[in-house]
Amino acid sequence: DAGITQSPRHKVTETGTPVTLRCHQTENHRYMYWYRQDPGHGLRLIHYSYGVKDTDKGEVSDGYSVSRSKTEDFLLTLESATSSQTSVYFCAISEGGDPRYEQYFGPGTRLTVT
Amino acid sequence: DQQVKQNSPSLSVQEGRISILNCDYTNSMFDYFLWYKKYPAEGPTFLISISSIKDKNEDGRFTVFLNKSAKHLSLHIVPSQPGDSAVYFCAASPNFQGAQKLVFGQGTRLTINP
Repeated sequence: DAGITQSPRHKVTETGTPVTLRCHQTENHRYMYWYRQDPGHGLRLIHYSYGVKDTDKGEVSDGYSVSRSKTEDFLLTLESATSSQTSVYFCAISEGGDPRYEQYFGPGTRLTVT
Repeated sequence: DQQVKQNSPSLSVQEGRISILNCDYTNSMFDYFLWYKKYPAEGPTFLISISSIKDKNEDGRFTVFLNKSAKHLSLHIVPSQPGDSAVYFCAASPNFQGAQKLVFGQGTRLTINP
């Protein structure tokens, strides 16, 4: 298994509070991704990174920001959480940007915003 | 607008028979297609993929078929086994744009009955 961990695995927070989710990899892969999974939508790309300090927006980036100061860590921040951000969040990594390189997913973080 | 659609939320198949999961897409810029498998409380794992220059790709019990004119792909599992019970996501990627920007379908929950 690819070395990807996510923390926390579960979190309950209140509307309006900031939340940061962490993705940590031990594979030294260049590309990292954040997805959210919701019923009826599958997985949707939030943000991705193609190197240290290099990030870009995905399909559903509003309300989220990311940072990558080290190869191994990719942080997802909800500046002011809303109930619509209740979801399961998955981090993924890949060695290359071409889709022929497999994406490896972390175990997920279940976030509930009350 | 959902660019990748899996119109069957669930599918139930007898052990040993063939499972056929379907996926439709609308964006003609997609040129690489993938299937992922997901067990509860785990991240998705890559199963099989196909390039738009092919119409079939096999890997053991799994075969993916691509019909570009119909913008349709399907995953065949033969023979189906109880361990195949999971949620299956199809995903599509546009031409390489410097990072993988996978677009996922909503998923189909496959149940294999003994």
